[in-house]
Amino acid sequence: QVQLVQSGAEVKRPGSSVKVSCKASGGTFHNHAISWVRQAPGQRLEWMGGIIPKLGTGDYAQNFQGRVAITADKSTGTAYMELSNLRSEDTAVYYCARGGLPPVHVDVWGKGTTVTVSS
Amino acid sequence: EIVLTQSPGTLSLSPGEGATLYCRASQSVTGNYLAWYQQKAGQPPRLLIYGASSRATGIPDRFSGSGSGTDFTLTISRLEPEDFVVYYCHQYDSIPLTFGQGTTVEFK
Repeated sequence: QVQLVQSGAEVKRPGSSVKVSCKASGGTFHNHAISWVRQAPGQRLEWMGGIIPKLGTGDYAQNFQGRVAITADKSTGTAYMELSNLRSEDTAVYYCARGGLPPVHVDVWGKGTTVTVSS
Repeated sequence: EIVLTQSPGTLSLSPGEGATLYCRASQSVTGNYLAWYQQKAGQPPRLLIYGASSRATGIPDRFSGSGSGTDFTLTISRLEPEDFVVYYCHQYDSIPLTFGQGTTVEFK
């Protein structure tokens, strides 16, 4: 079973950016999409967007358009999510997940990366 | 955007009892692209059901999913102590992908 290994917790100032990584065990995503889902304290899961690393194509949720960039390095089997212009409401656990672009469900999740935005 | 509304918000039950969780979509989920996840505190979600009714690998047969269109159900036939956690439905039919607000199954 593939595992997704995420980078460690981050503490950021409002207005700054954060970049979270997600590496597939075995070093390849094969043909799968990788998506990013966040969960703010006490809130429901929120899909941010996804990418198909093999094709370099993907999509984003409108709520994050212009603030989020999802990229992938096929050579290392690593995906990245960069969120800019951070505000306190972006404090959340950020998960990478395999799948998550229509019509493919998410079946494997990373353990999550906690991002705290505080002045 | 497809809005998913789960009910009830909280279910108070005892081990051994059955549980029925509901998920209603604001518009039809074509292809039955509806999944259910279980989430324990401090952990990522775990896939239980996809395609509305297909059990994921390794999921016990006490979990079953049904429904189509706008109304979906997750049934847990006999609750085990480890089942008393939070459950989310999720549509992957159209962008943005969306999740329900969750149902908590708690000890009565």
